[in-house]
Amino acid sequence: QSALTQPPSASGSPGQSVTISCTGTSSDVGGYNYVSWYQQRPGKAPKLVIYEVSKWPSGVPDRFSGSKSGNTASLTVSGLQAEDEADYYCSSYAGSNNVLFGGGTKLTVL
Amino acid sequence: QVLLVQSGAEVKKPGASVKVSCKASGYTFTSDDINWVRQATGQGLEWMGWMNPNSGNTGYAQKFQGRVTMTRNTSISTAYMELSSLRSEDTAVYYCARPFCINAVCYPYFDPWGQGTLVTVSS
Repeated sequence: QSALTQPPSASGSPGQSVTISCTGTSSDVGGYNYVSWYQQRPGKAPKLVIYEVSKWPSGVPDRFSGSKSGNTASLTVSGLQAEDEADYYCSSYAGSNNVLFGGGTKLTVL
Repeated sequence: QVLLVQSGAEVKKPGASVKVSCKASGYTFTSDDINWVRQATGQGLEWMGWMNPNSGNTGYAQKFQGRVTMTRNTSISTAYMELSSLRSEDTAVYYCARPFCINAVCYPYFDPWGQGTLVTVSS
């Protein structure tokens, strides 16, 4: 099983919106709604920001939104703030109790 | 407050084994799986496997089968991940993580995570 495919970088100015894609296959992203997104700041553990494609854990602002179409999931960060600058990873259940992660996307707030 | 606290950094020689611990608090340790994820420096996240602290059942990513062993000591609410036959490519930060659960149903998302343990493999 290969890692999910994410763009290595994304950027936007404060207040703008940016979307990060995550491409898998019909055996993972396309086959299950168990897609999640994590935010990781330098030197810190990842933090769950989106689960089940588009839901927010408690405490995560609704500026973060998720969606899925076919084998591709997306994370959109609206109203960009300086604090959103971090690495973002997608993840998907891949059957047989396996989980895949994406390679990560570095989000820069210009 | 659910907390996972991991053991400290390790330096190992190629061919050796390393055992990382993850002490849980703030919830019933045997109620939910513990997963392990690693991250090589500057690289992405890589899921290694899971362990059920109640039964001891485990499931490992194909890449690590035969080299990884996940165990637990329920008396001290601690999970362990042991990786053997270490090579330089195993140099990474290793994280334990609990599944995200809603109304006692747990899903394949991870929250919270431990603080991470750096394992360095070098001769």
